[in-house]
Amino acid sequence: GAGVSQSPSNKVTEKGKDVELRCDPISGHTALYWYRQSLGQGLEFLIYFQGNSAPDKSGLPSDRFSAERTGGSVSTLTIQRTQQEDSAVYLCASSPTGTSINEQYFGPGTRLTVT
Amino acid sequence: GENVEQHPSTLSVQEGDSAVIKCTYSDSASNYFPWYKQELGKRPQLIIDIRSNVGEKKDQRIAVTLNKTAKHFSLHITETQPEDSAVYFCAASSYGKLTFGQGTILTVHP
Repeated sequence: GAGVSQSPSNKVTEKGKDVELRCDPISGHTALYWYRQSLGQGLEFLIYFQGNSAPDKSGLPSDRFSAERTGGSVSTLTIQRTQQEDSAVYLCASSPTGTSINEQYFGPGTRLTVT
Repeated sequence: GENVEQHPSTLSVQEGDSAVIKCTYSDSASNYFPWYKQELGKRPQLIIDIRSNVGEKKDQRIAVTLNKTAKHFSLHITETQPEDSAVYFCAASSYGKLTFGQGTILTVHP
């Protein structure tokens, strides 16, 4: 079946502009995660959605970052007033359950470059 | 929160040798430990995982061991091949979210 998809694959934006990144999880997966990966670095947790529960936003680096998940499926990560340090690959993952034992499947990522 | 340390940061081996990557974690509530392989420009791919009620798991040339008392787990790759060259990440899951190690760049020389 189809895996996790993300769009756009690449985004170049000017400092100060807002950007929206989209994630389509695997159909039927109830949990969705956003991570950020800076060049040559590990993956940094940003936010986690599980069903209809309130999202875990503990990883969002600032109030410029927000995310929504509509209808328990598609998610959008929004970065307002982008800064150069926001440049990174933003990865989305989904999981069949949100329990503490779960397999997460990653999308291809969106490479964001802030100039 | 959880903290995961991964060593070594780089590992170079000859084809056919074994490779071992080690991780430690801090949160005793973590009970799921996956390993991901990431090739250059690609997404992380789950290669093996282990749950806290198991001490060892093997899948062909790949094995993972877990010591919950010491809070460490390791990835073992035997008979390495050039196509094993990639960045490997360990992770620990606590309350649904993964905390990743910093990654190990594995290079297998033909």
